[in-house]
Amino acid sequence: EAGVVQSPRYKIIEKKQPVAFWCNPISGHNTLYWYLQNLGQGPELLIRYENEEAVDDSQLPKDRFSAERLKGVDSTLKIQPAELGDSAVYLCASSSGLAGSNEQFFGPGTRLTVL
Amino acid sequence: LAKTTQPISMDSYEGQEVNITCSHNNIATNDYITWYQQFPSQGPRFIIQGYKTKVTNEVASLFIPADRKSSTLSLPRVSLSDTAVYYCLVVLSGNTGKLIFGQGTTLQVKP
Repeated sequence: EAGVVQSPRYKIIEKKQPVAFWCNPISGHNTLYWYLQNLGQGPELLIRYENEEAVDDSQLPKDRFSAERLKGVDSTLKIQPAELGDSAVYLCASSSGLAGSNEQFFGPGTRLTVL
Repeated sequence: LAKTTQPISMDSYEGQEVNITCSHNNIATNDYITWYQQFPSQGPRFIIQGYKTKVTNEVASLFIPADRKSSTLSLPRVSLSDTAVYYCLVVLSGNTGKLIFGQGTTLQVKP
C-alpha cells in the first residue's frame, strides 16, 4: 500500500514569490494534516481536515497561507508571498480518524528554502 | 507556557534499555498519548500510543501514570538503528483540542 505522497521534495524560491505543496494521503484516510517543522524542533500543526472540512486552522497564518482539500482526498498548501522565515520542512500526514487515536502516517515532507 | 517537556538528548549503548519521559500538563481526557520516531530527512513514524497504565507492542512499551501528566517511552535493548529523534504527541485540554508535539529527544546509541 502506498504511503503519504508529497511533492515536490525540495523547493527553492526567492522571497515574495508564491509556492504550493501537494499531498496525497493514504487511501481511505479521512483526516489530513499539514505541519511545519523547523530545524531541531517538533512539527507544528498548521491545519487539520476531516474530509473536506478544515476543523482546526487556528495556527495557519491566513494572511499568506492557504490550503484546500477538494473532494476530501488530495490537498494543496500555498504560501503567497513567501518570506525568509517560511524556510522549513512542510509535512503532510493522514490518519483514519479513529476517535481519540493520533496514529498518523507522515509523508517525507517538502523542504522549502526561501532566499 | 511550556505544553510538553522532553529531555533534549540522551546517550545509550547497544543492548541497553532506554526510557524517555515526556511531561504534559492539561491534556485532553479522551485522547491517546502518542510517540513518534524521526530519522533525518524523513517524516515522523508512529511507534506506540496509549491512554492509561502500560501498553506494549513489538518495538516499545509506554507507561502512563493515572494522572496522565507524563508518559515514558521504553525502548528495550536498543541498537544503533534506534538512533533518532523521539517525539511525544498530546492533545491539549479545552475547546481547542490542539495537537502538540514535544520538542523531541535526540537519542544517540553508541556501539
